[in-house]
Amino acid sequence: EADIYQTPRYLVIGTGKKITLECSQTMGHDKMYWYQQDPGMELHLIHYSYGVNSTEKGDLSSESTVSRIRTEHFPLTLESARPSHTSQYLCATRVSPPLLAGDGDTQYFGPGTRLTVL
Amino acid sequence: LAKTTQPISMDSYEGQEVNITCSHNNIATNDYITWYQQFPSQGPRFIIQGYKTKVTNEVASLFIPADRKSSTLSLPRVSLSDTAVYYCLVGATYNYGQNFVFGPGTRLSVLP
Repeated sequence: EADIYQTPRYLVIGTGKKITLECSQTMGHDKMYWYQQDPGMELHLIHYSYGVNSTEKGDLSSESTVSRIRTEHFPLTLESARPSHTSQYLCATRVSPPLLAGDGDTQYFGPGTRLTVL
Repeated sequence: LAKTTQPISMDSYEGQEVNITCSHNNIATNDYITWYQQFPSQGPRFIIQGYKTKVTNEVASLFIPADRKSSTLSLPRVSLSDTAVYYCLVGATYNYGQNFVFGPGTRLSVLP
């Protein structure tokens, strides 16, 4: 079982505020991801990282930014929050099995941060 | 990246066996098939993974025919707590240039 932590779990904030959503993991996984998901809707990949100092934009355009200074942390920042940013943000890691193990890659998800921008 | 197709929703009753089929006609040789479960307001959780034939764990079974163009997740004797969205994903291991794509999934409702 993977240990991925996201803080805060819930955040209600006013328009124009700068916010940072924290994601940390203790497994030493190189690959990390941020997904955005509205209630009852699909997950959309917004950012990912292959390791320290690596960040890429995902399939869904997002006004957020990410950084990866340390393997364990992959914070997501919104410089100026807007009501359209209201959503659930899910952090995940990806791990590959040892060679010859006969298994495929697996993603592990954190509990998510539910963001509401008023 | 292999595209998957699965039913949008399914209903079942407690104690029944539920089978959710996923189509992935253009699956590649190196692709694995992985199923995830997501409860409301939580992140998806790994259920089961397979490459071919049948895989079984304490939670579910995964049936994969020889041509691998489809797979079936089988949940034995479901309970109300199995109400969730189930995602079928197809992808290769170690292929980090390929991000997993979560489609709409199958919304399973278990009724009393």
